[in-house]
Formats: sequence, structure tokens, C-alpha cells
Amino acid sequence: NAGVTQTPKFQVLKTGQSMTLQCAQDMNHEYMSWYRQDPGMGLRLIHYSVGAGITDQGEVPNGYNVSRSTTEDFPLRLLSAAPSQTSVYFCASSYGGGAAFFGQGTRLTVV
Amino acid sequence: RKEVEQDPGPFNVPEGATVAFNCTYSNSASQSFFWYRQDCRKEPKLLMSVYSSGNEDGRFTAQLNRASQYISLLIRDSKLSDSATYLCVESGAGSYQLTFGKGTKLSVIP
Repeated sequence: NAGVTQTPKFQVLKTGQSMTLQCAQDMNHEYMSWYRQDPGMGLRLIHYSVGAGITDQGEVPNGYNVSRSTTEDFPLRLLSAAPSQTSVYFCASSYGGGAAFFGQGTRLTVV
Repeated sequence: RKEVEQDPGPFNVPEGATVAFNCTYSNSASQSFFWYRQDCRKEPKLLMSVYSSGNEDGRFTAQLNRASQYISLLIRDSKLSDSATYLCVESGAGSYQLTFGKGTKLSVIP
């Protein structure tokens, strides 16, 4: 009963390093999204995808790339990490108009 | 820009109390509404969907008022385990995107 699986759970990066946050779902949901959550800011949408091969920008896309080669996977890439990207990242999936189900989150610190 | 507004709290209530949260939304075309619960340092989890006719799940009751564009969550007989942040969420017609409020923090005190 996996649902949405995110890896890693914790990561420390140096400024300028790149990395990929992995997200996979086994519910055959067409919609997947990435959020970041910062104190006092709530959940902010970074990028989303409405199906394999289709991605689009959310509210705060700068510094992040995504791709959706399969229905199951939606990785988030940080191209050149900056301290401002220190945050908790959540991946989510859903059917259109339905409730979203979240992964356990990735706690990222950029030093 | 679509907005979902919530009182951030904190709401500090004794065990057994009844507490209610309201949430307002700006998008008159919103079709789907949800309440999520988020524990400290954890992912948001769906608490309940909100239907036009209102719905109840045990001690939790959710209501929707489209005319005034708000939804509410009522928690009866509060338990210590209800302590969490409650997120109000809306989605527009035919839209995949969810808009989240910033959450209302509830602390249930022994």
C-alpha cells in the first residue's frame, strides 16, 4: 500500500550543487505536483504535470526543473542549489478535481 | 489570483471541547473542497472532503456555504490527538490544481 513515495527524506547540499528529488506513485493518478513548505508561507506549488510528457510551472518554479516520462514518476531537479531553497518539499498526486495524496516529504538544507 | 484564507490560530482548547474553524475562498468557480490535517514535520493528510450538503465523519463535521464562499470544520469532543494544523483546500471546476490555505493550528490541552 505504497501510495506516494518520496526519496530522500533528508538532504544537505552545498550551495551550487545539483540534485534530484524522486517521487513515485502507484495509484495511476494522472496529476502530480511538487510543493515547498516554508514557515508562515503555507504550501506553494513549484511545478505540476497533468500526464506523462506534460509539465507546467506553478507559483515558484525558478531554480527547479521537472520531467514526466511515465505516469508513475515525477522527479524534481535542483539545478544549482541556493540557501533560499532550504525548505520541506512535498510531492503529491491526484485524479482531476480530487483530493491529493502526499509523499512523506524531503527536508532539504542548503548551506 | 485564487486565495484561501484561514485564521492561523493557535486555537488552544481543553479536552472535550467543541471547536470550529472557518475558511474563506475567493474563487467563485471553485468546485471541490477539502480539509487536510498536518502534524508537525509530517505530510498533509486528507481529513475529509466537503460536499454541498455538508458531511459528517464521526466527531468531524464539514459544511460549505457557497453564497458566502466559506467552508467550516467542526470538531466535537476534542481529543489530545486532534492537535495539529488544519488546512483548507479548494479546487476549481475542471482544474487539477489545489489551492491551500496556510492552516489553522489547534492545540488540545489536557
